[in-house]
Amino acid sequence: QVQLVQSGAEVKKPGASVKVSCKASGYTFTMYALHWVRQAPGQRPEWMGWINVDNGNTEYSQNFQGRVTITRDTSARTAYMELSSLRSEDTALYYCVREGATFWYYFDYWGQGTLVTVSS
Amino acid sequence: DIQMTQSPSSVSASVGDRVTITCQASQGIRNWLAWYRQKPGKAPELLIYAASSLQSGVPSRFSGSGSGTDFILTVSSLQPEDFATYYCQQTNSFPLTFGGGTRVEIK
Repeated sequence: QVQLVQSGAEVKKPGASVKVSCKASGYTFTMYALHWVRQAPGQRPEWMGWINVDNGNTEYSQNFQGRVTITRDTSARTAYMELSSLRSEDTALYYCVREGATFWYYFDYWGQGTLVTVSS
Repeated sequence: DIQMTQSPSSVSASVGDRVTITCQASQGIRNWLAWYRQKPGKAPELLIYAASSLQSGVPSRFSGSGSGTDFILTVSSLQPEDFATYYCQQTNSFPLTFGGGTRVEIK
């Protein structure tokens, strides 16, 4: 069965960076793109960016002003999302999600979420 | 960015009721729309993609319709597990965006 297992909760100070991992299993890793979506408490989900796992190409939401970087390690079947220059508004649950079909951009599997708390 | 507006923001209903949720896009997105259900404390689950295609394993009481700017999610007979928050998402262009959510509560 398809699983996306994310790394554990993080607490960071303003200005720091955080890197969240997402280990995939149960499917051919390079056949599906992975996206990152975050959700602040009580808010709608917010799309951050995605990676073509096969060739490593990425695209990011301009709403993050260049602060987000998504990478992958195909040998480890793991994707990573790094967010820099953290501020309190970045406190949220961060989800790794699988794209259901190439270039269709809907999400058929979600990780369990990683809570990132930004606090001084 | 394409803005997604859902209505109502909340609805009270009983088990067995029919519920409809609407989602409006700020510009035409053809049929590039998905619907998710999010239970409290859980990640969203895909229900519908391409406006009307039922995701594998999702009960047939869920259906979607619409194209262009106006879309509808219908739950034909609410079950206890359907009391949750529902989100639409446009999959037409980047940045991908979600609606503000509709909370379905027990009457």
